[in-house]
Amino acid sequence: GAGVSQTPSNKVTEKGKYVELRCDPISGHTALYWYRQSLGQGPEFLIYFQGTGAADDSGLPNDRFFAVRPEGSVSTLKIQRTERGDSAVYLCASSSTAGTEAFFGQGTRLTVV
Amino acid sequence: RKEVEQDPGPFNVPEGATVAFNCTYSNSASQSFFWYRQDCRKEPKLLMSVYSSGNEDGRFTAQLNRASQYISLLIRDSKLSDSATYLCVVHRTGRRALTFGSGTRLQVQP
Repeated sequence: GAGVSQTPSNKVTEKGKYVELRCDPISGHTALYWYRQSLGQGPEFLIYFQGTGAADDSGLPNDRFFAVRPEGSVSTLKIQRTERGDSAVYLCASSSTAGTEAFFGQGTRLTVV
Repeated sequence: RKEVEQDPGPFNVPEGATVAFNCTYSNSASQSFFWYRQDCRKEPKLLMSVYSSGNEDGRFTAQLNRASQYISLLIRDSKLSDSATYLCVVHRTGRRALTFGSGTRLQVQP
């Protein structure tokens, strides 16, 4: 498809485990964003990539969170030693340039039990 | 203080009503503004960009007041299908990511 694709759509994991969430942006979009959304809240910024580099990771809550985009296309958000408070919907978005309209994937609903 | 603030609602209105949402932003360096719509358990989708001169798209009108640092969205002749959460979104100079408000929930009733 032509949109942003995220996998898995749902992930249930045990506290303390490691998880990886994948995002495949719209082809040709150089800007890629990760957001996290909890119930009743707006999306909260985590990290922004321009090409392969993380241009702004100021939203990552702590060093358990890390993201990569090695070839400037697909990105993976990695969470180590998951905690129950990490439960949320993780949204990925891409845009042609920073600050312009961002197109979102359907998100990965992460539940830590 | 949050960078982008919205009244969470819910706004419960009958079909055909006109409803307005406001949003305030704290950083005067903000330069681009958007309204996104989010349906329950779905991803946010762009509703419209907000321009300094104000802009209209069918039943939707967006206004920007830079002096008071607020953005508004007016929906005329509300439809049942307008029921959703409306997210105010701001992009400011020097910050590459979009900053989202918490959203205002609209419920249009028959």
